Amino acid sequence: AQKVTQAQTEISVVEKEDVTLDCVYETRDTTYYLFWYKQPPSGELVFLIRRNSFDEQNEISGRYSWNFQKSTSSFNFTITASQVVDSAVYFCALSEAGGNYGQNFVFGPGTRLSVLP
Amino acid sequence: DTAVSQTPKYLVTQMGNDKSIKCEQNLGHDTMYWYKQDSKKFLKIMFSYNNKELIINETVPNRFSPKSPDKAHLNLHINSLELGDSAVYFCASGGQGKGSAQYFGPGTRLLVL
Repeated sequence: AQKVTQAQTEISVVEKEDVTLDCVYETRDTTYYLFWYKQPPSGELVFLIRRNSFDEQNEISGRYSWNFQKSTSSFNFTITASQVVDSAVYFCALSEAGGNYGQNFVFGPGTRLSVLP
Repeated sequence: DTAVSQTPKYLVTQMGNDKSIKCEQNLGHDTMYWYKQDSKKFLKIMFSYNNKELIINETVPNRFSPKSPDKAHLNLHINSLELGDSAVYFCASGGQGKGSAQYFGPGTRLLVL
C-alpha cells in the first residue's frame, strides 16, 4: 500500500530564511510519481511539481528546489529566501502507475509553513 | 478563464437535506476526481471518472453519488446529509496518461448544521 509521511506538522520561519519541507513515501511499485501542492490561506490547491521514479535529478525553479532520493524514499522541498507569500500548507503526494486511467493520489498530511515578516 | 470551477463555493444546510455540488473543467482532460478535505486538512480521494465512466470508488457512503453527464463535468450529489459530511470538497481533473498532474478547483466548503 502506498503511504506518504510529512513529519513536520508546522514550521515557522522568519522572512528570508531557507526552509526545507520533508516528504517520505512508501510504495511497492518501481514506477511511481511524486507531486507537491501548495494550499495558501485562500484555500485552493496549486500544483507545483511532478517527478517520476526514474528521474532522480534535482530540480530548481526560482526560489524553489526539490531533492528526490530513491535510496531514502524522500522527496524534499526547499524554499530559499522565504517570503510571507510562501505561507501555506504544502502537500506531498504519491501516485502509482498501476492503473490505466485515473491517478489514485495519496496525499501526505501536509506541513503548515508560516513565514513571519 | 478558470480551468476547474466548482459551484457553490459555500454550502450551509441542515442535517437530512440533499445537496449537489457542480464541477466543470475546460482543460480537455479525460479524467475527473472528487476529494474530501477534513478539518485537519487531510485530503482523501472519493471518486474518479474517466470519460464519464467510474474508475475509482473509495470507501464512501452510498449517500454520495457522482454523476458525469459528459467528460467536462462531474457533479457530486449527497443525500441525507450528516454532521460528519461537513468538509471542503475539491473537484480535480487530470490527463489520462500515467503520472499526470491533477488540477484542482477552488473547493466547496460544506457545513451541515
